[in-house]
Amino acid sequence: DTAVSQTPKYLVTQMGNDKSIKCEQNLGHDTMYWYKQDSKKFLKIMFSYNNKELIINETVPNRFSPKSPDKAHLNLHINSLELGDSAVYFCASSHLFDSSGANVLTFGAGSRLTVL
Amino acid sequence: AQTVTQSQPEMSVQEAETVTLSCTYDTSESDYYLFWYKQPPSRQMILVIRQEAYKQQNATENRFSVNFQKAAKSFSLKISDSQLGDAAMYFCAYRSAINTDKLIFGTGTRLQVFP
Repeated sequence: DTAVSQTPKYLVTQMGNDKSIKCEQNLGHDTMYWYKQDSKKFLKIMFSYNNKELIINETVPNRFSPKSPDKAHLNLHINSLELGDSAVYFCASSHLFDSSGANVLTFGAGSRLTVL
Repeated sequence: AQTVTQSQPEMSVQEAETVTLSCTYDTSESDYYLFWYKQPPSRQMILVIRQEAYKQQNATENRFSVNFQKAAKSFSLKISDSQLGDAAMYFCAYRSAINTDKLIFGTGTRLQVFP
């Protein structure tokens, strides 16, 4: 009954490969996000989708392509992986507007990507 | 653009003692939300406490409380009666009440708890 689940939790791959990380939420939220946490633990938003529509696309290379088949899923596909892509990728979800106004994010457990 | 600053990369506290983690932020907005998230070694991001900027009263959640100083743009987290399980990275975060679509994080403070 995990609220936000992402798979895989660990991913080790070679430079130049293409890989995907999947995310699913069962909270009924309408907005999903991808955050990247680098080796210094800094968390930065990459993408945000509301009702399957892209609403945030921070300056992320074109090699990263999110896909949201429905409100409950947001996948991240990465082409031509580079060493600098090694990081922990967090999926999160929230209501874009909730009654409290705070729109609290619920995070998945993260997916650690290591590019060799 | 809004920024969040955590000036303490690392802090330590003795079990059962109290520790305060600092956070300052920069914004020109008057309405926003502030959060503290905890990230233990398991990597899971866990919401600890949140504060609405329009509320003057400081938020409290059991052993966790904040000191919200809006004029000073300061949002510190106080952990009372520290427990070994409190050891984690703590992230301060800001969310605009207008542009609600993203959370802006500080760089984090690693808290160690000694028995």
